[in-house]
Amino acid sequence: SQELEQSPQSLIVQEGKNLTINCTSSKTLYGLYWYKQKYGEGLIFLMMLQKGGEEKSHEKITAKLDEKKQQSSLHITASQPSHAGIYLCGAVTNTGNQFYFGTGTSLTVIP
Amino acid sequence: DAGVIQSPRHEVTEMGQEVTLRCKPISGHNSLFWYRQTMMRGLELLIYFNNNVPIDDSGMPEDRFSAKMPNASFSTLKIQPSEPRDSAVYFCASSLTSGSLFWEQYFGPGTRLTVT
Repeated sequence: SQELEQSPQSLIVQEGKNLTINCTSSKTLYGLYWYKQKYGEGLIFLMMLQKGGEEKSHEKITAKLDEKKQQSSLHITASQPSHAGIYLCGAVTNTGNQFYFGTGTSLTVIP
Repeated sequence: DAGVIQSPRHEVTEMGQEVTLRCKPISGHNSLFWYRQTMMRGLELLIYFNNNVPIDDSGMPEDRFSAKMPNASFSTLKIQPSEPRDSAVYFCASSLTSGSLFWEQYFGPGTRLTVT
């Protein structure tokens, strides 16, 4: 979706390294969602952020929504092979009842 | 709960044939979404229903695509006639929605459609 841009498109890291994935919108976000997709499978919900400055963590994954509510980052600490997959951000913007997904970031973790 | 159920899991058909994809959402969820995923275009929202009513179908590619939700526990996505460019993985997802707020969506395993 052009409404949401993710960077980088792909990432290869050594196990144990930290990494960050970014999701940027040209519009104000009413809600920002992070999902993970294993190859060939459906998406799994990770976290939802609504308020500017909000930060949430689940195990070694932390996501934050910036104050202007137009960008979110997903940070993984001490990556593991189980973190490998495609990470997608999804969002509702202020243009109405429309939901978009980002372009996705493919993560490979090398043992 | 069994989660979102989609059928079939795989479908191979010839160009021009009618294809019907089926979805059973999670019981109690009031919103249902149909997505299409391809390498070229990523994950695209085709249509979503709230309380069985289509709210936004702006993502439906063209008139060959139609979706229905006759009741809270069943939805279909139909392609007639199918074309090779319709080949993709089609996902169904359901969630609880209040107003304009979307809560987390639960995805089905997807239907991999190949049109030859």
